[in-house]
Amino acid sequence: AQSVTQPDIHITVSEGASLELRCNYSYGATPYLFWYVQSPGQGLQLLLKYFSGDTLVQGIKGFEAEFKRSQSSFNLRKPSVHWSDAAEYFCAVGARGSYIPTFGRGTSLIVHP
Amino acid sequence: NAGVTQTPKFQVLKTGQSMTLQCAQDMNHEYMSWYRQDPGMGLRLIHYSVGAGITDQGEVPNGYNVSRSTTEDFPLRLLSAAPSQTSVYFCASGRGSGRPDTQYFGPGTRLTVL
Repeated sequence: AQSVTQPDIHITVSEGASLELRCNYSYGATPYLFWYVQSPGQGLQLLLKYFSGDTLVQGIKGFEAEFKRSQSSFNLRKPSVHWSDAAEYFCAVGARGSYIPTFGRGTSLIVHP
Repeated sequence: NAGVTQTPKFQVLKTGQSMTLQCAQDMNHEYMSWYRQDPGMGLRLIHYSVGAGITDQGEVPNGYNVSRSTTEDFPLRLLSAAPSQTSVYFCASGRGSGRPDTQYFGPGTRLTVL
């Protein structure tokens, strides 16, 4: 079975600073990888996903993520954070033959002005 | 398209009461699921369905029932509410593409059981 770990429960950054949120997965084959964002009081929205091909994936809102097989990681990055990026971020991993991704516990992003 | 809709937005129950959380989607998605979200626990899968008439249990199914009589609707029933079921509940849907794919989430139902 697949699993995903988000090592950071909270991350605090200043507005305009760069951001990297960590995600490590466990799965024996090439995984399906996702990042979702949850704004306060809202449901989750897909930021980006990786299935195959180019390991650097571009998403919405200026986010990108890089799949590194050797490190079993799929870290989310943004070069310059905006106050509106304050939210909860979830990494998810899916396995071939299953509809069901497994979600990490989430990382809460706090943005200081 | 309205996407995924959930009703009600908020609900307070007393221990032992029953209720149904409603979920509907208008995207003709085959796959639908219910999650609960608790602080520090992320999202945990309760039940899911890969098509009308087909449901299966997720990680935390105890105390919940589902059925899928139509493609559009996937209600979640709490048979006898317990304080441990206080949580935020999310419904999601996705295409039945034979692999994990984008899930579209509803806005959630915040349930408190006293």
